[in-house]
Amino acid sequence: EAGVAQSPRYKIIEKRQSVAFWCNPISGHATLYWYQQILGQGPKLLIQFQNNGVVDDSQLPKDRFSAERLKGVDSTLKIQPAKLEDSAVYLCASSPRREGSGYTFGSGTRLTVV
Amino acid sequence: AQSVTQPDIHITVSEGASLELRCNYSYGATPYLFWYVQSPGQGLQLLLKYFSGDTLVQGIKGFEAEFKRSQSSFNLRKPSVHWSDAAEYFCAVGAPSGGSYIPTFGRGTSLIVHP
Repeated sequence: EAGVAQSPRYKIIEKRQSVAFWCNPISGHATLYWYQQILGQGPKLLIQFQNNGVVDDSQLPKDRFSAERLKGVDSTLKIQPAKLEDSAVYLCASSPRREGSGYTFGSGTRLTVV
Repeated sequence: AQSVTQPDIHITVSEGASLELRCNYSYGATPYLFWYVQSPGQGLQLLLKYFSGDTLVQGIKGFEAEFKRSQSSFNLRKPSVHWSDAAEYFCAVGAPSGGSYIPTFGRGTSLIVHP
């Protein structure tokens, strides 16, 4: 099966600019996650979708970050305006909705804010 | 809230030597535990997971992990390391959410393999 697709792979922007990342999960996976991985740290969950509804966005900095999954398939994560501390790899993952299933991660988007 | 501690930031082993990566967790209920590997520029790949049953779990690439409830540990082992095993390894504990499980990751352990 095809994996989780993410684009772009790399992005460099200046602070205060906006940026958007795209994720296409594995076909049929109801659950989609966005993680932020800062260099030297483990991934931190930003938001979890179940189909097109938000299950958990408690760690999403809502003053600047937004995410949507309008048709319950692909998803977009946006940052506006970006700060230097947003430099990180943004990982998307998906999983089928059943107990015992694992997660499949995409290769991520590496964001550098200068 | 759940948490994961990986006490070793870096581990260096010689090719062919055995490996053990440490992981300790904190969670109020029966934990769901994972080990992931991340190669440079890549996403995370699931090595193995523990949900219930046998406390010794076999994974891909010759890895295994043992769940020890009394020690709150889930250490990853491999009897003979290959140069291609050099990567970042993440332990995670999963908390139920919305019919699935959300893993909380440790900071990772970087494995360096000497020829």
